[in-house]
Amino acid sequence: EADIYQTPRYLVIGTGKKITLECSQTMGHDKMYWYQQDPGMELHLIHYSYGVNSTEKGDLSSESTVSRIRTEHFPLTLESARPSHTSQYLCASSPEKGGQETQYFGPGTRLLVL
Amino acid sequence: KNQVEQSPQSLIILEGKNCTLQCNYTVSPFSNLRWYKQDTGRGPVSLTIMTFSENTKSNGRYTATLDADTKQSSLHITASQLSDSASYICVVSDRGSTLGRLYFGRGTQLTVWP
Repeated sequence: EADIYQTPRYLVIGTGKKITLECSQTMGHDKMYWYQQDPGMELHLIHYSYGVNSTEKGDLSSESTVSRIRTEHFPLTLESARPSHTSQYLCASSPEKGGQETQYFGPGTRLLVL
Repeated sequence: KNQVEQSPQSLIILEGKNCTLQCNYTVSPFSNLRWYKQDTGRGPVSLTIMTFSENTKSNGRYTATLDADTKQSSLHITASQLSDSASYICVVSDRGSTLGRLYFGRGTQLTVWP
C-alpha cells in the first residue's frame, strides 16, 4: 500500500471558485506528478516535479498551477474553476532511480464544477 | 493518436474463469511496459513491469507477457475472483528521457460475476 494521500476525495464546487487539491507522500520520493483522467479515458500528465522548487507542465495543457515547497507536498490549484475542469485528478510519486521506477498513485480527487 | 491500444474495451467473465487482456503499442524507443490495476474510485496500482529482455512475469494469479518484436503484451488472469473487477491499464515508457515518459492505454474494464 503506497503512502500517498489526496484530499479531498470528492469536491463539488461552483464556477469561478478557487480550489486547491492536496497531495502528500511520506515515502521521501523526489518525483511527483499530477494526472487528469476522464471516465473511460487514459491518464494525461498535467504537471510534474523533480524535487523541491522544481515544477514543469506536462503533456496536456491545463489552467491549473502547482507548487513544490516541501518534498512531501505537491498541491494543485485552480484559480477559477469551470465546468470543463470536471474530471478525476490523480497524484503520483516515484523514487529517484533511472528508468524503471514505478509510480505510486494516490486515491484521486473527483472534481465536479457546476 | 494514442500510442498504446488495449483490447477489449470491456470484458465480463464468471468467477473462477481465466481471461486474457491485450495491449499493442507503437512507443519507440521502448524502455519498459507496466500493467496497472485500477479499482473504481482509486488510483492505479502496479501489477508487473517488464523490460525489453523479459518476455514473461508473474504476480500471483496475474501473468504478463511481452513480445517486443511485435510490440504486443498480454495480461492473463487465472481463476478470477470478484475482487479482480477493475480497470487494467497498460503503460509503456520510452527511453532517452530523464522523465521516462509514460504512455497510458485507456484500460480494459473487467467485471467478474459470481
